[in-house]
Amino acid sequence: DGGITQSPKYLFRKEGQNVTLSCEQNLNHDAMYWYRQDPGQGLRLIYYSQIVNDFQKGDIAEGYSVSREKKESFPLTVTSAQKNPTAFYLCASSSRGQVANEQFFGPGTRLTVL
Amino acid sequence: AQSVTQLDSQVPVFEEAPVELRCNYSSSVSVYLFWYVQYPNQGLQLLLKYLSGSTLVKGINGFEAEFNKSQTSFHLRKPSVHISDTAEYFCAVTITGGGNKLTFGTGTQLKVEL
Repeated sequence: DGGITQSPKYLFRKEGQNVTLSCEQNLNHDAMYWYRQDPGQGLRLIYYSQIVNDFQKGDIAEGYSVSREKKESFPLTVTSAQKNPTAFYLCASSSRGQVANEQFFGPGTRLTVL
Repeated sequence: AQSVTQLDSQVPVFEEAPVELRCNYSSSVSVYLFWYVQYPNQGLQLLLKYLSGSTLVKGINGFEAEFNKSQTSFHLRKPSVHISDTAEYFCAVTITGGGNKLTFGTGTQLKVEL
């Protein structure tokens, strides 16, 4: 089945540590996205990538980094510079085109900083 | 920049009753509009989308929405809800030529009661 996988589902880290969240898709989509979800705030865009080896900052990129070396993969690193990293992180992908295309979402990773 | 407002953070409703979840947007250019549903601790699933054409859009699970350009609204409706509709619902907007970047509302928690 085609889809998006995110791992791990739950992640705990100590303050001051970097952590990398995995996102893989087999939908052959060019575009991929990372969102952060906090209660009562909806989803906010962290980074997005329209094509391999290229990515842009979203609305809340500070303290995060990404890479896009393969079409299928778009890992997100939460660095120690992110002041409040505890949140639910969602990865999404979509095909490219002139008309807006549906974004497909993964099941999410819940990160808790201890 | 575009924005989305979901004024109702929670909507309680009895099973088999009708429901309307409100969404208003702001944009200086043409928009595409989406409704997504999120069940607890899961990713988002597309309910329906408005790209162009008929202003009444039908989606999955018996939901529909009407695009009203003069009122800048895209309210979601269902004539008779079921317990299984209990979830969080997000309205999202992207602009034409916006590279498929979505701006989400803060979400509405629909709670269906017996």
